[in-house]
Amino acid sequence: KAGVTQTPRYLIKTRGQQVTLSCSPISGHRSVSWYQQTPGQGLQFLFEYFSETQRNKGNFPGRFSGRQFSNSRSEMNVSTLELGDSALYLCASSLGDRREQYFGPGTRLTVT
Amino acid sequence: QQQVKQSPQSLIVQKGGIPIINCAYENTAFDYFPWYQQFPGKGPALLIAIRPDVSEKKEGRFTISFNKSAKQFSLHIMDSQPGDSATYFCAASISGGGSNYKLTFGKGTLLTVNP
Repeated sequence: KAGVTQTPRYLIKTRGQQVTLSCSPISGHRSVSWYQQTPGQGLQFLFEYFSETQRNKGNFPGRFSGRQFSNSRSEMNVSTLELGDSALYLCASSLGDRREQYFGPGTRLTVT
Repeated sequence: QQQVKQSPQSLIVQKGGIPIINCAYENTAFDYFPWYQQFPGKGPALLIAIRPDVSEKKEGRFTISFNKSAKQFSLHIMDSQPGDSATYFCAASISGGGSNYKLTFGKGTLLTVNP
């Protein structure tokens, strides 16, 4: 089975722009979660989607949003980018009835 | 407020040694405790996980020990190899709907296994 895939793998944006990141979960997995990883703050939960519904959200500003499609693929969007948004954005998928989460390789976002 | 505290920040052992990484949590509602391994340029990979009704779990060379009363859990790597050199993260989550998948992570431990 193919693992979690994330596109693009690397992205460079300018402060004030917006960005959309994409995640394709493992086939059959219905839950998709997003995390931000930075050297200072570590791994932090952004939000989780199941059957196109956001079930949980972390402590991030409203500039961070996401959605999930009927095929379980998910996107996250960051508007009005700030320098501090530079991070590795990780997507994780799960079957939805088990606790195990499997991470993708991440998208490295650099904001200049 | 850091809900999961991980130590040490870095650890160096010789091949064959048994590195031990410790985590302590504050929220007694946590009921699922996974460990992840991350290599540079890769996403975290699930190693092993434990629930609080079990005091120890082994999978291959990896063992989790869990002390519910002390609110602590630890990862032991038996017969460590240079290929185990990576960053290890402990995590915790609460059961119930979307909370199942809201992992709270420790800050990570950079493990180096020398040949």
